[in-house]
Amino acid sequence: SQELEQSPQSLIVQEGKNLTINCTSSKTLYGLYWYKQKYGEGLIFLMMLQKGGEEKSHEKITAKLDEKKQQSSLHITASQPSHAGIYLCGADSRGNQFYFGTGTSLTVIP
Amino acid sequence: EAQVTQNPRYLITVTGKKLTVTCSQNMNHEYMSWYRQDPGLGLRQIYYSMNVEVTDKGDVPEGYKVSRKEKRNFPLILESPSPNQTSLYFCASRYGVMNTEAFFGQGTRLTVV
Repeated sequence: SQELEQSPQSLIVQEGKNLTINCTSSKTLYGLYWYKQKYGEGLIFLMMLQKGGEEKSHEKITAKLDEKKQQSSLHITASQPSHAGIYLCGADSRGNQFYFGTGTSLTVIP
Repeated sequence: EAQVTQNPRYLITVTGKKLTVTCSQNMNHEYMSWYRQDPGLGLRQIYYSMNVEVTDKGDVPEGYKVSRKEKRNFPLILESPSPNQTSLYFCASRYGVMNTEAFFGQGTRLTVV
């Protein structure tokens, strides 16, 4: 099965600081997705990356895909308390399944 | 409004009492799936369906059943719930199998005592 490893598992940052979350796949990536989850709630779609080298931004969040390394990074600039939550990467697989990483819990201290 | 609706949001039940968690989407999506989320284990796929009357097992199907009689509905059935099925459950739908955003329901927090 596809395995997606996220690092770090948890992150505590001061408001205003930048941060990066990584997602590494054990298999070829066919599509990489980033979601955000408020604790105990549903998942909110952030971005989808399909091609190597692709980079997308939404407000202060930027995601990049490195196809050769089978890795994606999510970067938040000038973090705010509203950025707090669990960030999950997800990926398509050849077997018609959709897999998730184990998640990164982000706390932003005002 | 495009959405995936799960019911109920919260459920406490006793071991062995059959239950159904409903999931409905209004986007005419072909692909629907169920996940459970547990601390330290992340989101794991239980079952998925690529179209009406087509369902397949995900990574953790034991103890669960699903059906897809209509495109919009994909109920999750626990015939004889056990305490190890206490979890947060999510239903999701997508337009296709790959390269499309998945939309998620708000989750169902199930406790089996």
